[in-house]
Amino acid sequence: EVQLVQSGAEVKKPGESLKISCKGSGYSFTSYWIGWVRQMPGKGLEWMGIIYPGDSDTRYSPSFQGQVTISADKSISTAYLQWSSLKASDTAMYYCARQTPSSLDYWGQGTLVTVSS
Amino acid sequence: QSVLTQPPSVSGAPGQRVTISCTGSSSNIGAGYDVHWYQQLPGTAPKLLIYGNSNRPSGVPDRFSGSKSGTSASLAITGLQAEDEADYYCQSYDSSLSLVFGGGTKLTVL
Repeated sequence: EVQLVQSGAEVKKPGESLKISCKGSGYSFTSYWIGWVRQMPGKGLEWMGIIYPGDSDTRYSPSFQGQVTISADKSISTAYLQWSSLKASDTAMYYCARQTPSSLDYWGQGTLVTVSS
Repeated sequence: QSVLTQPPSVSGAPGQRVTISCTGSSSNIGAGYDVHWYQQLPGTAPKLLIYGNSNRPSGVPDRFSGSKSGTSASLAITGLQAEDEADYYCQSYDSSLSLVFGGGTKLTVL
């Protein structure tokens, strides 16, 4: 069974750094792209970018380029999304999902990030 | 402002048929890229409902169907049930090299 399990909810202050994770199982983790999707409170879905864990090839949405970093460690079948300096506007639910090739067929349960002083 | 345009809300009585539209442009749906649909039940992660314009993943009831024509696509739900009450999102690929979503449609079962 394909599963993507994300790390738990985070509460951070503006300016802090953060790295959240997404662990895949039940399939060949290195053979599929992993995407990240943001959902701000009460809002719709926004695609942030993707990574191919097999070779760490990474693509970003123009809206998120330079704002976040996507990475992966194929040895532990885990993808990451990180921020170097969080802002209040980063408060959102973040989902990882397997991308095949232009749809997102399996999703993680989501990680809620709250940024507040 | 989402790249793909969906109605904010639709509603229908149990047993009825509803449709949700998704309008794009020549840089996404009109360029021939596939449209996919997701269902997001309250408080849960989105779930792939329709892929490749009209295909259902295993386990999705055949009450759900999708179609695409020109720069638009539609999701139809027949035999509406209370458990269908959710947010529905369309998604495609854009020549800006990004996946793009519609703004979402809230389905209310009356």
